[in-house]
Amino acid sequence: EVRLVESGGGLVQTGGSLRLSCTASGFNVDTKFMNWVRQAPGKGLEWVSIIYSGGATDYADSVRGRFTISRDNSANSLFLQMNRLKVDDAAVYYCARCGKQMDRAGFDLWGLGTRVTLSS
Amino acid sequence: SYELTQPPSVSVSPGQTASITCSGDKLGNKYICWYQQRPGQSPVLVIYQDSLRPSGIPERFSASNSGTTATLTISGTQAVDEAEYFCQTWDIKTAIFGGGTKLTVL
Repeated sequence: EVRLVESGGGLVQTGGSLRLSCTASGFNVDTKFMNWVRQAPGKGLEWVSIIYSGGATDYADSVRGRFTISRDNSANSLFLQMNRLKVDDAAVYYCARCGKQMDRAGFDLWGLGTRVTLSS
Repeated sequence: SYELTQPPSVSVSPGQTASITCSGDKLGNKYICWYQQRPGQSPVLVIYQDSLRPSGIPERFSASNSGTTATLTISGTQAVDEAEYFCQTWDIKTAIFGGGTKLTVL
C-alpha cells in the first residue's frame, strides 16, 4: 500500500525545537519530490518545504533559516527539523508527495498529518 | 509574492452544478491543481495540470484555466462533495495555495 505516516508532533514552547518524521510505504522517497505542507487551526494550506530527488531543498520565506528538511533513503523517511519555533508555527504538518513535473503534477499523496502545538 | 484568491464559500443544491473560482495574475500561464479536504481529513488531489483527473476521481469533477481565472466545476453535486476546496500553483519554486472555498451542499 502506498502511504505516508507522519510522527513527532507535540507541545513545545516558543523558541524550542521539534523534529517531525514521515515514513513512506510503497515507493521510494528518493525517487520523488517530497514536501511538508502545514495547516494552522481553522486556516488554509501553507507549503513549507521541498526536497528534490537529487537532494536539493527549498523553503517558504516564513521558515527559511529555522527549518531544515532532510531524508534518510535507507529508512525511506522524510524529516523536518524545526528550530526557534514561533506561535505562528502551530499547525498540522502534512507530508506530501509530488511528481517530478512538479509545476503540473500536484501533491498526489498526503499523510494524515501530525499536530504541532506551541505554548508561550 | 504571488497570490491566489478564492471565494470563502459557495453553496449549491444537490444535483446542481457548483463552480469554484481561483484567480491570480496571469494564472492561465501557470498550471493549477485542485484539492478537496473534508472536515478532519487530509487533502485529496482532484485535478492536476489544469484539467486532468487522477485515477479514482469521479467524472463530475472538471476544471479549466485561462486568463486570470481557474475554475473547478462539479456537475451533479452530491452531499459527499461538501468539503473545502483549495487551488494551488507553483511560483519560483514555491507552492502557492489559495485560501480555500467551503462548498456547502444544501
